[in-house]
Amino acid sequence: KNEVEQSPQNLTAQEGEFITINCSYSVGISALHWLQQHPGGGIVSLFMLSSGKKKHGRLIATINIQEKHSSLHITASHPRDSAVYICAVRFWETSGSRLTFGEGTQLTVNP
Amino acid sequence: NAGVTQTPKFRVLKTGQSMTLLCAQDMNHEYMYWYRQDPGMGLRLIHYSVGEGTTAKGEVPDGYNVSRLKKQNFLLGLESAAPSQTSVYFCASSYSSFSGTGIPNTGELFFGEGSRLTVL
Repeated sequence: KNEVEQSPQNLTAQEGEFITINCSYSVGISALHWLQQHPGGGIVSLFMLSSGKKKHGRLIATINIQEKHSSLHITASHPRDSAVYICAVRFWETSGSRLTFGEGTQLTVNP
Repeated sequence: NAGVTQTPKFRVLKTGQSMTLLCAQDMNHEYMYWYRQDPGMGLRLIHYSVGEGTTAKGEVPDGYNVSRLKKQNFLLGLESAAPSQTSVYFCASSYSSFSGTGIPNTGELFFGEGSRLTVL
């Protein structure tokens, strides 16, 4: 079964802390996406990656294909980073560019 | 550019009524998707389209129909609404890309703001 698991489900941090959110998947993938869902409900794409590491501002995403694992890091966290972070993957076996989504990690950053 | 626009943003229906959600994108994307999001569950794919005039079923297609008569629009219809269809619906679009092996891949996803549907 093609599965995506995120951990932790909930995460509370103090402003300035370094944050890591993890995503594991069950079988081979062709791409992995990290998404951010704001408290108001809107969803934006943060990263799409199939290997290595990508960085955008204070956000860093890494993926280890052999271990079937990806991490999203936030450096110098800020209350405005409070959101749900969602991992989504496209499994090699899936046709039509369909994605499988994790349940999300609720991040709260306190001032 | 407006990106991905969904209408309506909110709707309340009675059981058995019908309605259509409209998704429009101005980025010339080939791929478009309709998802539903329910508490405690990840986004689930209802239907998707890989190009104008084509549609395909996703994970949870029952009770929904879709059409993509124009590349920029993807319509989601509920023929006879049921309380189980109370949810937040998201439309998304992406360009297509090909990996080195020639297998089609999904580009970056762009989401609409969501449509909250309540069926009484």
